[in-house]
Amino acid sequence: GQSLEQPSEVTAVEGAIVQINCTYQTSGFYGLSWYQQHDGGAPTFLSYNALDGLEETGRFSSFLSRSDSYGYLLLQELQMKDSASYFCAVRMDSSYKLIFGSGTRLLVRP
Amino acid sequence: EAGVTQSPTHLIKTRGQQATLRCSPISGHTSVYWYQQALGLGLQFLLWYDEGEERNRGNFPPRFSGRQFPNYSSELNVNALELEDSALYLCASGPLDRAEQYFGPGTRLTVT
Repeated sequence: GQSLEQPSEVTAVEGAIVQINCTYQTSGFYGLSWYQQHDGGAPTFLSYNALDGLEETGRFSSFLSRSDSYGYLLLQELQMKDSASYFCAVRMDSSYKLIFGSGTRLLVRP
Repeated sequence: EAGVTQSPTHLIKTRGQQATLRCSPISGHTSVYWYQQALGLGLQFLLWYDEGEERNRGNFPPRFSGRQFPNYSSELNVNALELEDSALYLCASGPLDRAEQYFGPGTRLTVT
């Protein structure tokens, strides 16, 4: 079967840096995506890594190591509005369907 | 640019009934994806439509079905509803050659 592992909860202080890890075991792999979902809201796309390395988009960065079946999302200069659930998702094949992890709930404290 | 829209926002049905959920993708997007999100859990892939054809389906029974219309909008049908079908049903659209998907606000289905 397919599995994605990410921590269920992470707590951090406003202004700090937090890293959310994701390890995956899937029968195929094209790339790793990250989505943010606020309570009661729809998931919003954050990043996509198809190749090894770091992708930076403003305060958010995403890293992928295909050999380790591992990736992470790095959030810098945390703000209260970053409190949300963060999902990693694997694109397994050319179909663009996504297999999602169970999500990491990030709580940012003042 | 209008985002992905879904209707209805909420739907309450009784066990054994049928539910129909609708989705309109972002203009220019030909692919529509359906996901189920049970309370407090991750998203489970249901169906992928592109250019009017079902391209892929997740590990769900055949009573979950749908279609895509010529204008690329889509419909998800759930027959013989069961209590465990209660969930948020999310629709997403995306350009075929890009990995990102854009989600609608979802339809909250409650089966009693």
